[in-house]
Amino acid sequence: KNEVEQSPQNLTAQEEEFITINCSYSVGISALHWLQQHPGGGIVSLFMLSSGKKKHGRLIATINIQEKHSSLHITASHPRDSAVYICAVTGSARQLTFGSGTQLTVLP
Amino acid sequence: DGGITQSPKYLFRKEGQNVTLSCEQNLNHDAMYWYRQDPGQGLRLIYYSQIVNDFQKGDIAEGYSVSREKKESFPLTVTSAQKNPTAFYLCASSRELYGYTFGSGTRLTVV
Repeated sequence: KNEVEQSPQNLTAQEEEFITINCSYSVGISALHWLQQHPGGGIVSLFMLSSGKKKHGRLIATINIQEKHSSLHITASHPRDSAVYICAVTGSARQLTFGSGTQLTVLP
Repeated sequence: DGGITQSPKYLFRKEGQNVTLSCEQNLNHDAMYWYRQDPGQGLRLIYYSQIVNDFQKGDIAEGYSVSREKKESFPLTVTSAQKNPTAFYLCASSRELYGYTFGSGTRLTVV
């Protein structure tokens, strides 16, 4: 069983839809990260959180430490949001463990 | 602007040749990392370094080597011993409490 599980693996949405991507992890963590990878391959860090909720523009990330679960929400989705979204966790050794990613496609 | 520079973006290598991927950061981050990404799989850690002149093997270090002679630089050499080197390679750096910064990656193809 992978230490970090994401769902869904693939997601297609219409423009303006509200989108949720889920991440569950099975190990103790010091932080959880949401990353965005565009087709060219480069990765951008969206959020790092260890509790509660963070918001940046149309993106919202939440984490429930007791349930070992995090969600990434995108409000009013747009085709430019199309990318792979990756959940990763930092354990005690400060190493990142990655989920396999969620491929999001937003159609106009 | 501060960031991580990986070069080259695309690299082709003949079987049996060693090749070195460059990673430079000007963020004053102590820790640097190399990850490998294969289609449909999560990123896997090859090597990491938390301080100059020190580095540790990650989960898939076989067939790779690194050096950390300067804080800013963490080059990765893919040796001929790496049986399946075709992949996308990402470099990252971090500073405690400040999260991670990733490079734009190098796509290596063995021909």
